[in-house]
Amino acid sequence: AAGVIQSPRHLIKEKRETATLKCYPIPRHDTVYWYQQGPGQDPQFLISFYEKMQSDKGSIPDRFSAQQFSDYHSELNMSSLELGDSALYFCASSAFQGARYGYTFGSGTRLTVV
Amino acid sequence: AQSVTQPDIHITVSEGASLELRCNYSYGATPYLFWYVQSPGQGLQLLLKYFSGDTLVQGIKGFEAEFKRSQSSFNLRKPSVHWSDAAEYFCAVGPLNNAGNMLTFGGGTRLMVKP
Repeated sequence: AAGVIQSPRHLIKEKRETATLKCYPIPRHDTVYWYQQGPGQDPQFLISFYEKMQSDKGSIPDRFSAQQFSDYHSELNMSSLELGDSALYFCASSAFQGARYGYTFGSGTRLTVV
Repeated sequence: AQSVTQPDIHITVSEGASLELRCNYSYGATPYLFWYVQSPGQGLQLLLKYFSGDTLVQGIKGFEAEFKRSQSSFNLRKPSVHWSDAAEYFCAVGPLNNAGNMLTFGGGTRLMVKP
């Protein structure tokens, strides 16, 4: 079965650089969520999109932005990277009733800022 | 605001022993409840979920969880642990009204299995 695809799997950037993470949801899933998981931490919700519109916003820094495209894939853009941005970034997708049926998570993108 | 608490940061059990991981939630109504498992460096895999009906939920890999409204708990259990169960386990809460569909995660419990 198709899963949530995230790319790249690993990314190393220097401070103050920019990074773009991509997420391809399961076919026919219209909602995408982004989470950040720091070392030894639980996943923290960043932002979500439903039908290409932002639906919820969590603890996403102003340096980050995201969007969902017409094919429902989503990109998380991160600028002026800081050492503290080093984390595992998860994308999850669901049909709109995600809270009822759960979410499918991708394997994550591990971002290391040096 | 809803919150999820997993009181045990680490748990070590012997292979073949039973397991119970605790999860307590704070919410104004019965939320949707989930358990996820995460192996090191891997994504989150859904073990089971509850949103209504029978309070004892069966999941994958032999796991089950019981929703207890009176205790605001949703503890995960397994009768006999296998070495491959060693991982991080997250309890999560989803909103009732789908207004804001994000999950809120507990802090996680790291399970170690002794041979």
